[in-house]
Amino acid sequence: QSALTQPASVSGSPGQSITISCTGTSSDFLGYNYVSWYQLHPGKAPKLVIYDVTNRPSGVSDRFSGSKSGNTASLSISGLQAEDEADYFCTSFTSSSTWVFGGGTKLTVL
Amino acid sequence: QVQLVESGGGVVQPGRSLRLSCAASGFTFSFYNMHWVRQAPGKGLEWVAVISYAGTNKYYADSVKGRFTISRDNSKNTLYLQMNSLRADDTAVYYCAKQGYDSVVKYYFDYWGQGTLVTVSS
Repeated sequence: QSALTQPASVSGSPGQSITISCTGTSSDFLGYNYVSWYQLHPGKAPKLVIYDVTNRPSGVSDRFSGSKSGNTASLSISGLQAEDEADYFCTSFTSSSTWVFGGGTKLTVL
Repeated sequence: QVQLVESGGGVVQPGRSLRLSCAASGFTFSFYNMHWVRQAPGKGLEWVAVISYAGTNKYYADSVKGRFTISRDNSKNTLYLQMNSLRADDTAVYYCAKQGYDSVVKYYFDYWGQGTLVTVSS
C-alpha cells in the first residue's frame, strides 16, 4: 500500500493559478475515476474539494477543478486566495478494496 | 447537519491498548460505510480501516492489520477503533470519516470529524 506521489509543496501569488499532481499505479486507480481531493487547514476537519476526479461538492468554489490523465490526477486552483493556503491530499480507492492517500502538498499563497 | 465527534485519544504506553469512539449525528448512520484515517505529526494522511454500513465487511491497512479492529453500533450511532499492541509509529491524530452514498456507494469521504490525538510513548 504505497502512497500516491504528490509534490511536497507548491506556491503562487494571489490571483494566480496552481496545479497539484497525484501519481499512482494502475492498481491504485483501478482504471476508475475514484480520485478525490481534500483540503486540510491546521486544527480543522479535512474538507472534500473534488470527488470522482472532476466533480465539485456543493459549496466548493468553482476555482477548484480536477482532471486525470493515465495514472496522474491533478487538482487546479485558479484565482488563488489567501484562504486557499492549506495542505492538499489526493486519495483513490484501490484494487484491494482499500484506500491510498498521497503524501500531501503544502500550498503557500505568497 | 452532519457531525462526527471523535473521543478516546490520549497518551498510552507502547504495547498497551486504546479504544477510540466516533459519535455520529445528522444523518442515518446505519446507511453509510465508515472509515478511520490518521495523520502522524508532520506526515500525510494514512487510511486505516473501513467498515460497511451493516458491519459485515471490514478492511484494514497493512500497517494495522491484526492489531486494530474497527466496529460499529448502529443502535448508538457510534463507530469504534480498538487499537491493541500500540507502537510509537501509531502516534497520530485519528479522524473518523463518512463515505459518500447517493443511490449507489460513492468512493470518497464527504464528512470528517475534527480528530482525536493518540500519543504512544513510555
